Parts: sequence; C-alpha cells; structure tokens
Amino acid sequence: GQNIDQPTEMTATEGAIVQINCTYQTSGFNGLFWYQQHAGEAPTFLSYNVLDGLEEKGRFSSFLSRSKGYSYLLLKELQMKDSASYLCAVRPRAAGNKLTFGGGTRVLVKP
Amino acid sequence: GAVVSQHPSWVICKSGTSVKIECRSLDFQATTMFWYRQFPKQSLMLMATSNEGSKATYEQGVEKDKFLINHASLTLSTLTVTSAHPEDSSFYICSARPTGALGEQYFGPGTRLTVT
Repeated sequence: GQNIDQPTEMTATEGAIVQINCTYQTSGFNGLFWYQQHAGEAPTFLSYNVLDGLEEKGRFSSFLSRSKGYSYLLLKELQMKDSASYLCAVRPRAAGNKLTFGGGTRVLVKP
Repeated sequence: GAVVSQHPSWVICKSGTSVKIECRSLDFQATTMFWYRQFPKQSLMLMATSNEGSKATYEQGVEKDKFLINHASLTLSTLTVTSAHPEDSSFYICSARPTGALGEQYFGPGTRLTVT
C-alpha cells in the first residue's frame, strides 16, 4: 500500500517563507504532485516532480528525493491569499494514473 | 486550457432519491477521469477510475451499485449516487487526465451534495 505523511497545520507570517514536507512510502514510484486547495474549492495543480531535484515556478518550488521518499513544497514571499491546504499526492508505478493523496497541510498566513 | 467543469455545483436531495453529477473536460479529451470524495477537513479519497468506453474501476470499499459511473464520451463522465442517504453528504470532485498525457490531472470545481 501507500503511506503519505505531511504536517497537519503550519502558520507563517506574510512575506516569510514556509516549507511543507511530505514523506511517502509506495510500491514503485511514478511521480509526486503538489496541489493547492482553498476551502470549499477543488484542488489546483502546483507542481509535478518525477526526477530528483528542485523545480522552481515563481514563488513556489518543489523538491524531490526518491531515495529518501521525501519531497517539500517551498512557498516564498508569502501572501495572505496563500492561506490554503496543500496536498501532496503520489502516483505509484503500479497504479496507472491513480493518485494517492496525503492528508493535506493547512497553511495559515498571518499579517 | 485544461478546464474541467462539474454540474451541478451544489445539490440538496431527499433521502432515498438519486442524484447525477456531470464532469466535463471542456478543451481536451480525457480517456480517463477520476471521482473523489472529500469530507470536511479531510483529504481527497479516490472512489473510482472512469474509463471511456469501458466499466469503471472502483476502489476497495466503494459500492459500485450505489455509485454508478458512466463515461460515454471522451469529454463526459457522470456519477450517479443512487438511493442517497445523509451519510453520502460530501464534496464530490472529479478530475480528468488529458489523453496521452503523462503528467497532472485537472480537477473540476466540485459538487457539494447534501442529503436531508
């Protein structure tokens, strides 16, 4: 089976940096995704990592280490609108295109 | 691009009735669509994988006779909740993977179902 762990909640100040960690254990690996979800809305795609290393996209960056089963999402220059849940999802190799989601990390940005 | 719509966005129904939710990929074709359910403050739980032209694949613990899925075209999948009960009240979200794509799925805006 799959096991995906991420912190439940994090609080940060506007303008600061927050790093959301995600660890996973899967039978085979075929990519890791990060999604942002505001309350009552559907998730929106943020990033996709399949190879080790850092992928940067504006204020958001995502890192992957396959050997450690570890990823993080880095949010820089935090804005109030970044208050949301951030979901880590893994696509196991044997599961085709199915995604398994972690429990999500609720990030609260304070002024 | 890559827009997915769902209809209705919210629905209230009486216990024992059936509700149909539509998921459409508006600007791409999707051989595969996924249906998720999300309870308050919880993460997404995959219910089933919908494949165009074939039977859906259900996750363990999901009753296929209660949650009927039809994927009749490359842009439309429907989920019908039959004989709905209050415990079926939830946020139902679909996603679609563009045909031939290796990457991300695109999510619809979700449908909030309340069964009274």
